[in-house]
Amino acid sequence: KQEVTQIPAALSVPEGENLVLNCSFTDSAIYNLQWFRQDPGKGLTSLLLIQSSQREQTSGRLNASLDKSSGRSTLYIAASQPGDSATYLCGAAGNKLTFGGGTRVLVKP
Amino acid sequence: GAVVSQHPSRVICKSGTSVKIECRSLDFQATTMFWYRQFPKQSLMLMATSNEGSKATYEQGVEKDKFLINHASLTLSTLTVTSAHPEDSSFYICSARNPGLAGSTDTQYFGPGTRLTVL
Repeated sequence: KQEVTQIPAALSVPEGENLVLNCSFTDSAIYNLQWFRQDPGKGLTSLLLIQSSQREQTSGRLNASLDKSSGRSTLYIAASQPGDSATYLCGAAGNKLTFGGGTRVLVKP
Repeated sequence: GAVVSQHPSRVICKSGTSVKIECRSLDFQATTMFWYRQFPKQSLMLMATSNEGSKATYEQGVEKDKFLINHASLTLSTLTVTSAHPEDSSFYICSARNPGLAGSTDTQYFGPGTRLTVL
């Protein structure tokens, strides 16, 4: 059974700092790994999807890496802004999409 | 493309009533749809997988007689919470998968969620 863990559970940084969010998964037999953003009371916004054959994906200030062999993915957000405050979820897609518990991010102005 | 909608976005009902939530894929045909539940400050937990034209597959611990899922067309799946109780209050999110989209065989597209409050 796939288990996905996200560390830290919460993170508070001053504006401008880079963010590093970690995701680990126990079963490396995945098709892809996705990072999502969720604002309070809202649904999921897909940020980045890394196929199992890829090592990383980039979109603007966001960069996500994937190391299947070690069961890890990292989401980097450069030069954080208050608008980046949200909960970030990673999901490992095997037979099912299994989510981590999320990292709640607060970027202080 | 790949937009998924849910209706209603928010519903409040009395204990003992049934509530139906709709999930629609607006610009693609979804052979498979998924229903998730999210309790406050927790992550999403898969409830069931529904394939168009067949019975849904429920995850362990999810009562199929309480959470009725119908996926009668390639663009619509419904989740009916029967005889709802306060402990069913949660955020319900659906997703849809379209293997026909290039490079998206295993990509799920998520709806905006439905907040259910049972009084």
